[in-house]
Amino acid sequence: VQLVESGGDLIQPGGSLRLSCAASEFIVGNNNMSWVRQAPGRGLEWVSVIHVDGTTDLADSVRGRLTIFRDTSKNTVYLQMNSLRAEDTAIYYCVGGVPPIHWGQGTLVTVSS
Amino acid sequence: QSVLTQPPSASGTPGQRVTISCSGSTSNIGRNIVNWYQHLPGTAPKLLMYYNNQRPFGVPDRFSASKSGTSASLAISGLQSEDEADYYCAVWDDNLHGLVFGGGTKLTVL
Repeated sequence: VQLVESGGDLIQPGGSLRLSCAASEFIVGNNNMSWVRQAPGRGLEWVSVIHVDGTTDLADSVRGRLTIFRDTSKNTVYLQMNSLRAEDTAIYYCVGGVPPIHWGQGTLVTVSS
Repeated sequence: QSVLTQPPSASGTPGQRVTISCSGSTSNIGRNIVNWYQHLPGTAPKLLMYYNNQRPFGVPDRFSASKSGTSASLAISGLQSEDEADYYCAVWDDNLHGLVFGGGTKLTVL
């Protein structure tokens, strides 16, 4: 099983970014898929989940700005990030499975002017 | 301030047994299963224990976990230098309708 994140970048406050998580040997549509982040010097923070049935949940800190969705034909999960803030700076991990056992290596998002 | 409370640090000498606590509430630990993660700097976190007390394939039986009421704990026996890492508990919270992590415990092997 491999989860590969991409899309991290240096972005200015207020900007937008889309992260991707491509899965191999693993079917995203048959599993709960989450995004978890770790800001510099901080602990792990859950961001969002898309459940097997397609419903989604978001952390209060990102609701209204971040959206999780999936494309089952591409076996990929996405995190659309809008109105980015400095506090969104973090490594973003894609996590999948029940229990959530499979983690990608992470992609770095830096929000700074 | 995390919804789940973990001690920020723990330590032990090689061969010792250490425990890491995770305190929550009825909306999270009291109702749902607890998972534990091990995180080494520069690597992806690794699922260490799941469904309160189950070990994924490949995790040594030196690691064990338990849950009682609104608290959970992770125990590591026969401590080894490679156990030095950050440890996190995680559980779904029904009130927040989201997954919550503990603040993390940095384990030092002296």
